[in-house]
Amino acid sequence: NAGVTQTPKFQVLKTGQSMTLQCAQDMNHNSMYWYRQDPGMGLRLIYYSASEGTTDKGEVPNGYNVSRLNKREFSLRLESAAPSQTSVYFCASSERRGLVGEQFFGPGTRLTVL
Amino acid sequence: AQSVTQLGSHVSVSEGALVLLRCNYSSSVPPYLFWYVQYPNQGLQLLLKYTSAATLVKGINGFEAEFKKSETSFHLTKPSAHMSDAAEYFCAVVHYGGSQGNLIFGKGTKLSVKP
Repeated sequence: NAGVTQTPKFQVLKTGQSMTLQCAQDMNHNSMYWYRQDPGMGLRLIYYSASEGTTDKGEVPNGYNVSRLNKREFSLRLESAAPSQTSVYFCASSERRGLVGEQFFGPGTRLTVL
Repeated sequence: AQSVTQLGSHVSVSEGALVLLRCNYSSSVPPYLFWYVQYPNQGLQLLLKYTSAATLVKGINGFEAEFKKSETSFHLTKPSAHMSDAAEYFCAVVHYGGSQGNLIFGKGTKLSVKP
């Protein structure tokens, strides 16, 4: 049982390049999330997927797109990377979007945009 | 709208001393509150959660938190710090409204433990 896995662990991009961050969970969870973490800012929600087939914007969605490929996988795409997107990205999942649902986090992807 | 404020971005304690990490929340409805811990270069993991069953919540690794409605607080404590407690700690509240069910995180408090 691997929990939440993310690939890659590290990535360096040049401004304007595109890339996709992959996330998968093996806990049969319905809901999945993408966050970014910046120093002194805590975690901010980029996009979430309440259930397979649905996605919604979070607090900071500009410059990102997502795909809920199936129940297990939720990818985050940067179409044209900018230096402001340098951050650590975390994927998380929960059994359901609910009032008491614990979120389980992956190990993160450290992205640098030059 | 719900929010959390963590007082102190850095807290330093000596090994064996009391750990107190402060979190105040804002919510117009009874809140559901969480504390997460992040060890260096890792993701977040749940320490404990308040879901209105009991005001004193015990979590993993000897941590506990007390929900105080009158003070709108949910401070995290541990009687005796250990070197392995050095990490960043995040308080979070469940959001009601347009993105109901999502978590809103505080900015985090980095805990250092001195030998």
